Amino acid sequence: QVQLQASGPGVVKPSETLSLTCTVSGISISRKYWSWIRQPPAKGLEWIGNINNGGSANVNPSLKSRVTILMDTSRNQFSLNLRSVTAADTALYYCAASTLSGTLDAFNVWGQATVVTVSS
Amino acid sequence: SYVLTQPPSLSVAPGQAASITCGGDNIGRKSVHWYQHKPGQAPVLVVYDDNARPSGIPERLSGSNSGNTATLTINRVEVGDEADYYCQVWDTTIDKPVFGGGTRLTVL
Repeated sequence: QVQLQASGPGVVKPSETLSLTCTVSGISISRKYWSWIRQPPAKGLEWIGNINNGGSANVNPSLKSRVTILMDTSRNQFSLNLRSVTAADTALYYCAASTLSGTLDAFNVWGQATVVTVSS
Repeated sequence: SYVLTQPPSLSVAPGQAASITCGGDNIGRKSVHWYQHKPGQAPVLVVYDDNARPSGIPERLSGSNSGNTATLTINRVEVGDEADYYCQVWDTTIDKPVFGGGTRLTVL
């Protein structure tokens, strides 16, 4: 059974970098694509980006200039760095993946939410 | 980018059927996925590829997709179905998943 566990600081200061890590268990990270998704307060879901099984990242154009997504195969983890954060980046952050056959974007596995607040 | 439109809210009595719509330009040509999201929990995929159910999802939940509208139908609604529901497709023009704004289902 594939499980995801996200970790990272709950509070980040404005203009600094948000860094989150998602640890994958139950499957080698090299076998699937891995996504970050967020939900600002009282808003809907927003896909941030993903990293594929070859280590290449695909980022939402609205965030592309500020986002880096990396993979660490030795630790079976992938990470998110979001630079120059503002209050608008305050959100629940999820790591997620599709392990279903034939689809890359039906996210059937989710980690628990990491609450991130941007505040000085 | 591709826009998905959902009604913000829907209320239904227990035991009745709920139909949650998701509108998009020629959405019938895309694969639509649906998520159930309850407060304090991670979203749960309830329907994928228009009408397939992951294991563990009851048959009461079903999906359809044609023309400009995809629909998630929940038959014999239960109090436990109360949640936000999101549709999602892959936007091929900018190579990313797109979510609808979500529909809050209230069970009266």
